[in-house]
Amino acid sequence: DVKVTQSSRYLVKRTGEKVFLECVQDMDHENMFWYRQDPGLGLRLIYFSYDVKMKEKGDIPEGYSVSREKKERFSLILESASTNQTSMYLCASSPGGSPFYNEQFFGPGTRLTVL
Amino acid sequence: AQRVTQPEKLLSVFKGAPVELKCNYSYSGSPELFWYVQYSRQRLQLLLRHISRESIKGFTADLNKGETSFHLKKPFAQEEDSAMYYCAAGARNTPLVFGKGTRLSVIA
Repeated sequence: DVKVTQSSRYLVKRTGEKVFLECVQDMDHENMFWYRQDPGLGLRLIYFSYDVKMKEKGDIPEGYSVSREKKERFSLILESASTNQTSMYLCASSPGGSPFYNEQFFGPGTRLTVL
Repeated sequence: AQRVTQPEKLLSVFKGAPVELKCNYSYSGSPELFWYVQYSRQRLQLLLRHISRESIKGFTADLNKGETSFHLKKPFAQEEDSAMYYCAAGARNTPLVFGKGTRLSVIA
């Protein structure tokens, strides 16, 4: 079974703090993704990566950055957290080839609250 | 712009009744269509995709290119089908676009 793990299930941070969300997959997938999930808005893509050190912006990259130094790990960084970044963050991975034709495997999510 | 529309936020049906979750898409080219499901306290997972043409847990989805729809159907709903369902469309070089989701509630 593909396993995608996220470093925290719940996180509470203060406005202005730098926040790191970590994601690790164990199936040697080339593609990795970060989404945020909000009620009534569905899933929105923040960033994705199709290879080590490669990254592409998704629909809502503002206020976020990412890092992919190793194939299995994809980090989402909030440089200066704001209250409107309170959300559920989902990481996903998929096999090589087109990132968007293949099934994506999701992590359990990190619920981030910014006070 | 690529768009996936799920017109119902909430759908309630009685156990044993037919279920249809609607999905319409606006997408250039030939997208691949997916249905993802999230059961309570579980991670989001793929339910089925158009290219596989499978029936998973009794669910099927037919692609209607003329109506640009990919509705999810099941003839007899079960309580364990209660979940959040997301329709999604992706293309070779275009990020996957998700609908806003439909919460299905199956009433005993």
